[in-house]
Amino acid sequence: AQSVTQLGSHVSVSEGALVLLRCNYSSSVPPYLFWYVQYPNQGLQLLLKYTTGATLVKGINGFEAEFKKSETSFHLTKPSAHMSDAAEYFCAVAAVYGGSQGNLIFGKGTKLSVKP
Amino acid sequence: DTEVTQTPKHLVMGMTNKKSLKCEQHMGHRAMYWYKQKAKKPPELMFVYSYEKLSINESVPSRFSPECPNSSLLNLHLHALQPEDSALYLCASSLREGPTDTQYFGPGTRLTVL
Repeated sequence: AQSVTQLGSHVSVSEGALVLLRCNYSSSVPPYLFWYVQYPNQGLQLLLKYTTGATLVKGINGFEAEFKKSETSFHLTKPSAHMSDAAEYFCAVAAVYGGSQGNLIFGKGTKLSVKP
Repeated sequence: DTEVTQTPKHLVMGMTNKKSLKCEQHMGHRAMYWYKQKAKKPPELMFVYSYEKLSINESVPSRFSPECPNSSLLNLHLHALQPEDSALYLCASSLREGPTDTQYFGPGTRLTVL
């Protein structure tokens, strides 16, 4: 079975500071990993994804994530936080077994707060 | 155009009502999904349609009935719901039902069951 664990349900940073949101995965096969963002009362928007190839993935809004197989991690970073980054962030792994291929298995989410 | 639209935006219904949620996409995607998201929780998969056929039903109660009339539309028919069914219902679509295909989400329907 595949799963993701997001460390920290709530992260608070100051505007201009580094954003680091942690995600670790468990998978017996090479994983396909995603980061989504959800603003209040809205749907989910894809930030970036890793399938194969380059392990450093760049996404929208200045976010990037690095796939580290040795650490089973896919942490999300942004060099300088903006107030508009305040939202809920979900890490997800795509199921690749049986009849459920492609279905997303989400972590519990991390709420990012940005202080002025 | 990477937009998935959902109507209505909000819905309040009694436990004896019948209502429907609608989802639409015009990206040529052949996989469509229904998710349920409770407050402060991640989305949970309910149903998957692939090429207009039900591919996955994640043991959802029969009071939820999905329908995919064509490749662009996905409905969720609701009947005799319980207050615990109150949640944000999200629709998503992807090019195919595959692990590398990005799912694009709609804004959701906020459902309240009284």
